[in-house]
Amino acid sequence: EPEVTQTPSHQVTQMGQEVILRCVPISNHLYFYWYRQILGQKVEFLVSFYNNEISEKSEIFDDQFSVERPDGSNFTLKIRSTKLEDSAMYFCASSDPQGDHEKLFFGSGTQLSVL
Amino acid sequence: SQKIEQNSEALNIQEGKTATLTCNYTNYSPAYLQWYRQDPGRGPVFLLLIRENEKEKRKERLKVTFDTTLKQSLFHITASQPADSATYLCAPQFSGGGADGLTFGKGTHLIIQP
Repeated sequence: EPEVTQTPSHQVTQMGQEVILRCVPISNHLYFYWYRQILGQKVEFLVSFYNNEISEKSEIFDDQFSVERPDGSNFTLKIRSTKLEDSAMYFCASSDPQGDHEKLFFGSGTQLSVL
Repeated sequence: SQKIEQNSEALNIQEGKTATLTCNYTNYSPAYLQWYRQDPGRGPVFLLLIRENEKEKRKERLKVTFDTTLKQSLFHITASQPADSATYLCAPQFSGGGADGLTFGKGTHLIIQP
């Protein structure tokens, strides 16, 4: 069964450094998403992306964050200058506009630790 | 503001019994509602979607109801098994075109005891 893949599974970085989290969505999906989950808290929406532009973003997704689809298969989340509070699990998801586009397929996540 | 409430306490159910999880929402009228399962350290996995014009939906041992008057969805797992132990998330959503972000509840941690 096709799946969303995320790399790396764990990322450790120093405060103030830039990080890029990578995702390969399911190949025929066209809607892409990033979510985050701070330890012990709920899964929170960050941003959605369609047709090479941001479709929707939450208050969390401030100027420190950006997303990009650099080629036909990858979808990335960049955090420009990481803060301690950015430590969380980051999930990528995708959905199929031709099918039940409301149904999201999630990757296994990247655990980001900011020291 | 929109609010989604799920059982905050862990739910302990004996194996073989029916587990019932509750999702209440306030201050909006979703067109549909989704349920996901999340295992520790993993991403959510889609289980069921129910639309506002559907009262009930079933999939194998799972059943979801959606009461738009009460602003509530109930999620049932019949003949529960230890493998059903996980956190279950509900996500009531508006009907939008395209890439609408899901807003999840905090989830209910379900423990099925053998």
